[in-house]
Amino acid sequence: IVLTQSPDSLAVSLGERATINCKSSQSLLSSANNNDYFAWYQQKPGQPPKLLISWASTRESGVPDRFSGSGSGTEFTLTISSLQAEDAAVYYCQQYYSGPITFGHGTRLEIK
Amino acid sequence: EVQLVESGGGLVQPGGSLRLSCAASGFSFSNSWMNWVRQTPGKGLEWVANIDQDGSGKNYVDSVKGRFTISRDNVKNSVYLQMNSLRVEDTAVYYCAARTWIFDLWGRGTLVTVSS
Repeated sequence: IVLTQSPDSLAVSLGERATINCKSSQSLLSSANNNDYFAWYQQKPGQPPKLLISWASTRESGVPDRFSGSGSGTEFTLTISSLQAEDAAVYYCQQYYSGPITFGHGTRLEIK
Repeated sequence: EVQLVESGGGLVQPGGSLRLSCAASGFSFSNSWMNWVRQTPGKGLEWVANIDQDGSGKNYVDSVKGRFTISRDNVKNSVYLQMNSLRVEDTAVYYCAARTWIFDLWGRGTLVTVSS
């Protein structure tokens, strides 16, 4: 399964909304349990990726509520509602619907 | 403290071998699937292999099948990646990551460079 992220990079002002998209080459929605097998990660320089959201919209414990995930099937969105300086990072989407697990190529988010 | 610590990376010539280790602490290692994920500037993040709780189930990405072997020792709380017949394109930072599919715990990675 190929995941295509857009844009490749974006620059957003502090306090503004940032939106990152991820499109899957096939549906990630399971008809058995109605769950999307999809996650978002954040990676800052020199650090490993950090899990932000799983099952398309479930925020991990400790992740600020300005981060939200939406979408289903083949199209997904990560929204940061009010950008903070510490949100500058590369964001990756991931599918775990079928093997092999695959990631998007990443979106670099900068502060304008 | 909950953590994963990788070791064993380094410089190796094409065709050579390397064994990576990942030591786990602070969580129930024997109940957790474990993974290796690698990252290159050009290809981004690539899942490499995983292993189930007792080591009987293993999966690999096609590009490493027959060359890499994942294993674990639940007494030592460690997971390993034996890498043989290394290629230039295997150059990457190798991370170990915990859980089945959703990686909520990562190590800091170990750099593998394959070059003559």
